[in-house]
Amino acid sequence: AQKVTQAQTEISVVEKEDVTLDCVYETRDTTYYLFWYKQPPSGELVFLIRRNSFDEQNEISGRYSWNFQKSTSSFNFTITASQVVDSAVYFCALSRFGNEKLTFGTGTRLTIIP
Amino acid sequence: EAGVAQSPRYKIIEKRQSVAFWCNPISGHATLYWYQQILGQGPKLLIQFQNNGVVDDSQLPKDRFSAERLKGVDSTLKIQPAKLEDSAVYLCASSSNRGRPPYEQYFGPGTRLTVT
Repeated sequence: AQKVTQAQTEISVVEKEDVTLDCVYETRDTTYYLFWYKQPPSGELVFLIRRNSFDEQNEISGRYSWNFQKSTSSFNFTITASQVVDSAVYFCALSRFGNEKLTFGTGTRLTIIP
Repeated sequence: EAGVAQSPRYKIIEKRQSVAFWCNPISGHATLYWYQQILGQGPKLLIQFQNNGVVDDSQLPKDRFSAERLKGVDSTLKIQPAKLEDSAVYLCASSSNRGRPPYEQYFGPGTRLTVT
């Protein structure tokens, strides 16, 4: 069975601070994919990143960066110099190789205080 | 390119009533998904269609939920009869199946259902 745990239910930081959202996953598969989605107040889930289990290289996209560590089964997401527009619920998700079904965590509500 | 469309955006019904949700995926997307998102939880896949065939409906409560995707385009999800625990946001997503998997899923705005 697959499981994704996002232990941080809510986080509030002041604008321009850096913030890290934690994601820990469980799977018996050797090949799998990890995702992060953003859900703003409008409700639509917005795709942010996909990583496969072969590639543990960290990734940076603008103010966003992701740290994938297979040894600790973690896929953490850092926002640098946070902005009010980053306020949203963020979900980490997992899928099996060859299967599009996403298993989501419970999400972390991030509030950026101006 | 137009996104995934869903209607209605909000629905309030009494328990034991029936309700239907509609989804129009992005044009050309072969795969369509329905997710249920209960407040404070992550989305849970209810059913996945590939064109008009069902790929996965293992988490669909088939005694009360049904879904169809006629002609491989639009889809409807129905609940009959509704229970209080069905209160949730119902999200529709679609993916194109072009390029290398896994294919990015594009989500609609969701339908918020309240059962009283």
